[in-house]
Amino acid sequence: AQSVTQLDSQVPVFEEAPVELRCNYSSSVSVYLFWYVQYPNQGLQLLLKYLSGSTLVKGINGFEAEFNKSQTSFHLRKPSVHISDTAEYFCAVTAYSGGYQKVTFGTGTKLQVIP
Amino acid sequence: DTGVSQNPRHKITKRGQNVTFRCDPISEHNRLYWYRQTLGQGPEFLTYFQNEAQLEKSRLLSDRFSAERPKGSFSTLEIQRTEQGDSAMYLCASSRGLAGGQYGEQFFGPGTRLTVL
Repeated sequence: AQSVTQLDSQVPVFEEAPVELRCNYSSSVSVYLFWYVQYPNQGLQLLLKYLSGSTLVKGINGFEAEFNKSQTSFHLRKPSVHISDTAEYFCAVTAYSGGYQKVTFGTGTKLQVIP
Repeated sequence: DTGVSQNPRHKITKRGQNVTFRCDPISEHNRLYWYRQTLGQGPEFLTYFQNEAQLEKSRLLSDRFSAERPKGSFSTLEIQRTEQGDSAMYLCASSRGLAGGQYGEQFFGPGTRLTVL
């Protein structure tokens, strides 16, 4: 079984300030990790992914995340947020079990950028 | 436009009625997924197809739910005898195979928002 925990349901931050959205996961097998963003009444858009290799991954819109296997974390960061970053962010894990693909999402973190 | 499309975008129905949603994946993607998202929650996996074969179904998918992908292209999700608890956003996603038998990230459609009165 696998699970994803997003520790903060809402994160308010002032424009141009840095932000970190936290994600922890658990799984009995190797996982691939993703961050998605969802704007109101829209589907999910992939921000970035970790499949293998460098543990620091860079995504779109200036976001980056670091995979920490020992802490089973994949926190999302941005050094300076913009009003347009206001959205809900979902961390997700994909693991292979029995040859099939399972995807588990966290409950989401709403990022509110304050002007 | 080669993105994932879903129709309708919104559906309002009365309790007890049947509804059907359609998903058109990205054309070269052979895997197609259905998720349900309720307010304040992340998407919950319902089922997925590889080509026309339905490989896995979540326990969330009760007997009133059925999904098909008859020709390995578009997919339909039908809910029979809808209940108020079925009100949610239904998301479809697709992905393609990569080298080594792995699969790439999932690309999501805009979703179908179902409201059961």
